[in-house]
Amino acid sequence: EVQLVESGGGLVKPGGSLRLSCAASGFTFSRYSMNWVRQAPGTGLEWVSFISSSSNYIKYADSVKGRFTISRDNAKNSLYLQINSLRAEDTAVYYCTRESDTSVAFDYWGQGNLVAVSS
Amino acid sequence: QSVLTQPPSVSGAPGQRVTISCTGTGSNIGAGYEVHWYQQYPGTAPKLLIFGNINRPSGVPDRFSGSRSGTSASLAISGLQAEDEADYYCQSFDSSLSRVFGGGTKLTVL
Repeated sequence: EVQLVESGGGLVKPGGSLRLSCAASGFTFSRYSMNWVRQAPGTGLEWVSFISSSSNYIKYADSVKGRFTISRDNAKNSLYLQINSLRAEDTAVYYCTRESDTSVAFDYWGQGNLVAVSS
Repeated sequence: QSVLTQPPSVSGAPGQRVTISCTGTGSNIGAGYEVHWYQQYPGTAPKLLIFGNINRPSGVPDRFSGSRSGTSASLAISGLQAEDEADYYCQSFDSSLSRVFGGGTKLTVL
């Protein structure tokens, strides 16, 4: 069974930093591209970042470029998102998602991890 | 403002058929990129409902169907059931912006 389990969220002050982790199991992690998607309270889904299976291709949404860093450790079956210079508008539930191997659909999602930015 | 445009809400009575539209531009849906649909219940993670415009993952009832034409796509739900009340999102790829979502549509079963 495919499982994606996020951790590392919490309450952070504006300007602070946080590192989200996503532990993957039930599939060959190193073969799949991964993404982070977020959802601010009461709003829709926003794609945040993409990383290819071997980390040689990385992409960010304009809203987070320069502040967020996506990475992965295939030996540990883990995906990460380093979030710096946090702003109130970064408050959201962050989802780790697996990208299908035949399309850019997100075929599996983690349970979500809340990041709240407030002074 | 989302790159893909969806109606904020739709509604229908049990047993009816409803459709949710997803309108893009020439740099995403109109460029031939596939459209995918997700279903989300409050407080839970989204679930893939339709991928590659028309395909259903295993376990998704055939009451759900997708289509794409030009710069738009649609999700149709036939034989509406109370359990279909949820939020629905379309998603595609954009040649400039990478992965993009619609703003979401809240389906109310009357």
